[in-house]
Amino acid sequence: NAGVTQTPKFRVLKTGQSMTLLCAQDMNHEYMYWYRQDPGMGLRLIHYSVGEGTTAKGEVPDGYNVSRLKKQNFLLGLESAAPSQTSVYFCASSEAGKRYEQYFGPGTRLTVT
Amino acid sequence: KQEVTQIPAALSVPEGENLVLNCSFTDSAIYNLQWFRQDPGKGLTSLLLIQSSQREQTSGRLNASLDKSSGRSTLYIAASQPGDSATYLCAALSGTYKYIFGTGTRLKVLA
Repeated sequence: NAGVTQTPKFRVLKTGQSMTLLCAQDMNHEYMYWYRQDPGMGLRLIHYSVGEGTTAKGEVPDGYNVSRLKKQNFLLGLESAAPSQTSVYFCASSEAGKRYEQYFGPGTRLTVT
Repeated sequence: KQEVTQIPAALSVPEGENLVLNCSFTDSAIYNLQWFRQDPGKGLTSLLLIQSSQREQTSGRLNASLDKSSGRSTLYIAASQPGDSATYLCAALSGTYKYIFGTGTRLKVLA
């Protein structure tokens, strides 16, 4: 099993550009999450999904959109990137009813200039 | 609103030393508290999870304790090794599906 994978690993965007981060898990997990990690801020939840076709907002959802069209994939979109979105993005997944046991991907380092 | 704080932000110790990492949370109504390890450029690896009804959990040289009444958790690492060098994060599950993470303690164990 690959676990949780994220694509791409690194990306540099210019202000105003758009992009989509892909998270994939092969553990048949129901729940998936997107976090961002910034120095001195810990990890903050952006959006999460408790099943295919459902999404919900986390702590810092502004400027991001998500979709969960397939159970194994959770997409994070930036429609118009801003320098404030420079961060490391982590995806995680967990079984239904085990939201406390999250498995994390390796992260995507995004820089917006 | 739950807030999680970790002190110190960074720690450097000689190999073999026993050490304690601290985690404080403001809302004692937590479901559980979890400690993670993060290596540079890597994702998070779960180390220990303490349910709200538990006081401590142990795994090898690691021991984590939880005191809900005081809003504190500690991670004790015995006989530290250079391979323990990493950032350690604690996270409290107190909402619906949301973990609130601390800012982390960056540990360096010197050979």
